[in-house]
Order: sequence, then structure tokens, then C-alpha cells
Amino acid sequence: EDKVVQSPLSLVVHEGDTVTLNCSYEVTNFRSLLWYKQEKKAPTFLFMLTSSGIEKKSGRLSSILDKKELFSILNITATQTGDSAVYLCAPRSGNTGKLIFGQGTTLQVKP
Amino acid sequence: DTGVSQDPRHKITKRGQNVTFRCDPISEHNRLYWYRQTLGQGPEFLTYFQNEAQLEKSRLLSDRFSAERPKGSFSTLEIQRTEQGDSAMYLCASSFRQGHSPLHFGNGTRLTVT
Repeated sequence: EDKVVQSPLSLVVHEGDTVTLNCSYEVTNFRSLLWYKQEKKAPTFLFMLTSSGIEKKSGRLSSILDKKELFSILNITATQTGDSAVYLCAPRSGNTGKLIFGQGTTLQVKP
Repeated sequence: DTGVSQDPRHKITKRGQNVTFRCDPISEHNRLYWYRQTLGQGPEFLTYFQNEAQLEKSRLLSDRFSAERPKGSFSTLEIQRTEQGDSAMYLCASSFRQGHSPLHFGNGTRLTVT
């Protein structure tokens, strides 16, 4: 059965700190891995990773995938209060392209 | 607004009633997904449409749940004889079929069954 485990489940940091969020997965017919940010409502897309070892970067956020060890990490540097959210990891499976979500990591950034 | 639109935003119903939700995907997207999310959990896959064809259904989707996408555009999700355990956020997402197109989510319909 497909499985996605995110750690830690929750994290409290202060502004300016750097955080690393982890995602390990076991998914049949793996296609890619996506990261989303969810603040109360719709998950919003952050990154899509298809190849191992190639870092994707957007501002203070970056992410990398290891297809051999079946994990991904999401880094956020110089955190801000606006980064407070649930971060969801979602490997993509099969021909339908459906996403299989982890439980999420709840990040709280204190001023 | 050209994003994924869901209606209603909130629905409160009594146990045993039927409810129907609507999703309007981004217009060029031919893939449409329904997910369910409960508090503290990530979204769980329910079903997938490619154009008007329903190509995959989760084991989570009991026979009280039915989804349609009659003309390959908007979709509806109906829950018959609602139970308290159906209380959740129901999310719709859409994407292009080609390549590794990301899913774009709507704001969801929050269902409360009393």
C-alpha cells in the first residue's frame, strides 16, 4: 500500500530561523513529487520534483528529491511569520497522476 | 477568477440527508480530482476524471458517494444518506493531462453533518 510519512508533524520556530521538512514515501508507479503549502483553505503549489539530486529553488524555499532513498526535503531559510502553514508532501502515482498526500507538517513561525 | 471554483463553501446537513457539491475546474484542464480532508490530516484521494470519464475511484468511496462530470467540464459529488463520519472538507483539483502538470486546488466545500 502507498505510504507517505512527513516529519516532524509540527514545528515552532522564531523568525529568521532555518527549517528542514522531511518526506519519505513508498508509492507504486512513482512519477514525481510535489510540495504544497496550505493556509486554512486550498493547498497552493510550491514545487514539483521529477529528478534526483536537482534542487528546485524559489526565493527562500528550496527542495530536493532522492529517488533511490525515497525521500524529499523542503528547506525554508530566514523564516517569516507568513511562512506559518501546513506543508504537504505528495508523490504522484500511476497513469492518473493522482497525488498521495502525507499528513503534513504544521509550521508556526513566531515573531 | 480563473482558478478552481467550488460551491457551496459550507454545507450543514442533518444525518440521513443527501448533499451535492459542485466543482468548476480551470477551463483548459481535462483532469479533475476529488479529495477529502479531515482535521489534522492530508487530503485523501476519492476519484479522478479524465474529460467525462471516471477512470479511478478510491476504496474510500462507498456506494453512498457518486461523482459525475457529464460534459467534461464541471463535476458534481453527491453523498446520499449522510453520516456524521462524512463531515470533512471536500476539495476539488484540476490539471492538464500532458506532462507533469501540477494539480490546482479549489477552496473546498466544508461539510458538517449533525
